[in-house]
Amino acid sequence: GAGVSQSPSNKVTEKGKDVELRCDPISGHTALYWYRQSLGQGLEFLIYFQGNSAPDKSGLPSDRFSAERTGGSVSTLTIQRTQQEDSAVYLCASSLVLGGYEQYFGPGTRLTVT
Amino acid sequence: ELKVEQNPLFLSMQEGKNYTIYCNYSTTSDRLYWYRQDPGKSLESLFVLLSNGAVKQEGRLMASLDTKARLSTLHITAAVHDLSATYFCAVDPDRGSTLGRLYFGRGTQLTVWP
Repeated sequence: GAGVSQSPSNKVTEKGKDVELRCDPISGHTALYWYRQSLGQGLEFLIYFQGNSAPDKSGLPSDRFSAERTGGSVSTLTIQRTQQEDSAVYLCASSLVLGGYEQYFGPGTRLTVT
Repeated sequence: ELKVEQNPLFLSMQEGKNYTIYCNYSTTSDRLYWYRQDPGKSLESLFVLLSNGAVKQEGRLMASLDTKARLSTLHITAAVHDLSATYFCAVDPDRGSTLGRLYFGRGTQLTVWP
């Protein structure tokens, strides 16, 4: 079956622009997670969704970051007024249910802010 | 804040040799995952360890979990070049608002040479 997909695979944007990153989880997976991976920080948790709800947004690096999920499926991570330190690979993962289940990762979106 | 420490961070080994990667974590958890990442690729699940004493093997890799020692190991037997990649351990502490979130080690970059 299809795995987790993400788009775009690469995004180059100018500092100050807004970007939207999309994640399509595995069909039937109720839990969805966003992480980012950068050279200096390793793998950093951003936010998770149970269904369409994100109970804990404290992992988002700043208020320029927001995320939503609709229909219990597709999720969008939006970064407003991008900064160079936002450059990273943004990874999405999904799992069957929340907690204690294997997370399957998508291919990631490589974001470069110039 | 939960800490996950992997060592070594860099490992260069000759084909045919054995070695062990260690993953220590700072909280109680009986759920630990090992992932492999090839350059420019996403994370591929290798092992899911869900109880104390769990041992899983796949090919030349064997993973184990000791929840009392808060330690997991990834043992490589008779290494081959195809095992060259970065290996991550990740812990699921299953607590409160971080339910389902994974805490990752910094990764072990393995290079196997002839």
